[in-house]
Order: sequence, then structure tokens, then C-alpha cells
Amino acid sequence: GNSVTQMEGPVTLSEEAFLTINCTYTATGYPSLFWYVQYPGEGLQLLLKATKADDKGSNKGFEATYRKETTSFHLEKGSVQVSDSAVYFCALSDLQTSYDKVIFGPGTSLSVIP
Amino acid sequence: SQTIHQWPATLVQPVGSPLSLECTVEGTSNPNLYWYRQAAGRGLQLLFYSVGIGQISSEVPQNLSASRPQDRQFILSSKKLLLSDSGFYLCAWSGRRAYEQYFGPGTRLTVT
Repeated sequence: GNSVTQMEGPVTLSEEAFLTINCTYTATGYPSLFWYVQYPGEGLQLLLKATKADDKGSNKGFEATYRKETTSFHLEKGSVQVSDSAVYFCALSDLQTSYDKVIFGPGTSLSVIP
Repeated sequence: SQTIHQWPATLVQPVGSPLSLECTVEGTSNPNLYWYRQAAGRGLQLLFYSVGIGQISSEVPQNLSASRPQDRQFILSSKKLLLSDSGFYLCAWSGRRAYEQYFGPGTRLTVT
């Protein structure tokens, strides 16, 4: 079945450091891929998405590229800020095999210290 | 634009008491609706989803139930709460085909 794996957290970085959060997936169809962000005490917000191989999603300085050959969708940001402290979820939607559901990874907690 | 509401925002209930959490969506029709639970420091657990009025799919057997009495209303209920029901409950909606999901602000439930 479909699944999403994320790197274990928590991740702690200093402000202005480079961020990478790894995400790999297993899917039998041709999924769309997403990153969601959850700030403390809030619901999830869609951060970025990519719908086909080699697409790059970007938003708020975050980027992720859909790599079909490595089944990966790693999240990157060149210079993190304290306000980026949150939990990040990688997710996939495979409409050919799972019409009604989105599959979420376990989440990676990020703390950015001044 | 579409908005999703959840209430209450926080709730403290004793073990054995009933529960009713409500979720409503505005600005769209015929959405798919979802209930998730998030335990402290953990990921999302899909509890129920619905593709239409009266149509409920359960993902995890438990003492919770869900209902969809109207197109844009989704209710999570329990007759008798357990300590293990504590957590952060999130409602979400998507279009008719599960693609991007949009989440509500959540309800923090503490069972004492």
C-alpha cells in the first residue's frame, strides 16, 4: 500500500541555518506530494505541493522537488527563522489507488533557536 | 473563499461522560470530510471520513462515532469517554477527490 516516511526528529537548528527534512514515499500509482506545516496549538496548513515528477513546489522560502527515481520529496530552506519552528508533515495523494484519503507521514518537529 | 470551523476549541471532560465535537465548512459544496486525532507529540491518526451525507467510513475501531447530518457538517461523538481519548482533534475537508486537504483549528480534548 501507499506510505510516507520522514526523518526522525526533533530537529534543532540555529537561526539562518540550512534546513533539510527528508521524505520518501511508496505508491503504486502516480501520486501528488505535499508538505504541510503545523504551528503550535494550530491545525495543519498546506505549505507546498507537486503533482508530477520533477515538479518543484515552493512557498515562503521552502522548496521541495518531486523525484520519482528516488521516490523522494525532501523539504529545504536556505535560511531558517525562529518563526519556522513547527511540525512538518509530508503527505501523498494517490487518486488511482486511494480515491478518498491522503496519506501523511509521522511529522518532523523543527525548533529554531536564536 | 472556503472556511472550516471547529468547536469547542478546548474541552475538559471526566471519564465516562459523553462527547460531541462539531465541524462545519463554508464556501464549498459536497466536500469530503475527515476527523483526525493527534496524540501529544505524535502524528495524525485518521478516525473517520465521509464522502456524503450519512456516509461514514471508520478507520479505527474504538468508542467514537461520527455522523454527517448535513452536507457541510461533521460531528464526532462518544457515549462514554476514556482517558485514552485525550488528544487534539482535527477536522479537514477536501474536494470530491482527496487531493489537498484543508484543516480546521482543532479541538484540544482532555479526559480526566
